[in-house]
Amino acid sequence: NFMLTQPHSVSESPGKTVIISCTRSSGSIASNYVQWYQQRPGSAPTTVIYEDNQRPSGVPHRFSGSIDSSSNSASLTISGLKTEDEADYYCQSYDSTNWVFGGGTKLTVL
Amino acid sequence: EVQLLESGGGLVQPGGSLRLSCAASGFTFSSCGMSWVRQAPGKGLEWVSAISGSGGSTYYADSVKGRFTISRDNSKITLYLQMNSLKADDTAVYYCAKGVRSSSWYEADYWGQGTLVTVSS
Repeated sequence: NFMLTQPHSVSESPGKTVIISCTRSSGSIASNYVQWYQQRPGSAPTTVIYEDNQRPSGVPHRFSGSIDSSSNSASLTISGLKTEDEADYYCQSYDSTNWVFGGGTKLTVL
Repeated sequence: EVQLLESGGGLVQPGGSLRLSCAASGFTFSSCGMSWVRQAPGKGLEWVSAISGSGGSTYYADSVKGRFTISRDNSKITLYLQMNSLKADDTAVYYCAKGVRSSSWYEADYWGQGTLVTVSS
């Protein structure tokens, strides 16, 4: 099994852009899709990106996903930050029989 | 509109059993893989189990293998999780989640609101 490593926390000001990274410990990041989930305090998770860079219906274009084989990592980019974006963000991928979650990144918008 | 509504959570003693249900609406249920994901108090997300759209393929985390059983009734548009031999470590909010397509047991695009399972004497 591999691990996904995320920064514990990031912070940025409203209107700015933030990038949250997710680094895969072994195996290629490109070999399995990466998803990103947002969880606001006290709420259920919601999906902001699936299959590396796809947005579910209703997710603003401010959210985008990408993968970088050179660093073996995935990234979630949130542009035009709003206070409502303050939440925990989890990356997720999988192997042949298991999901793997990153530890989560707490985004503070201040 | 996609809706997933979990039920069946509650307080159970160690060693006991519980069955969770997830009633789905707003999409073609049989065309989507489904999963259960849990979150212990103050902790991150942990995948529990997944099932293909037809129900023919199932997957389990090592932590629950042999104790939990995932199933689905496509005629009733409902996902289930039978949990046996429950331990204190199983205490968590359990979420059901919808996959994008029948074979996509490995991802989620919509989530339910969760049901709390507490294992305690």
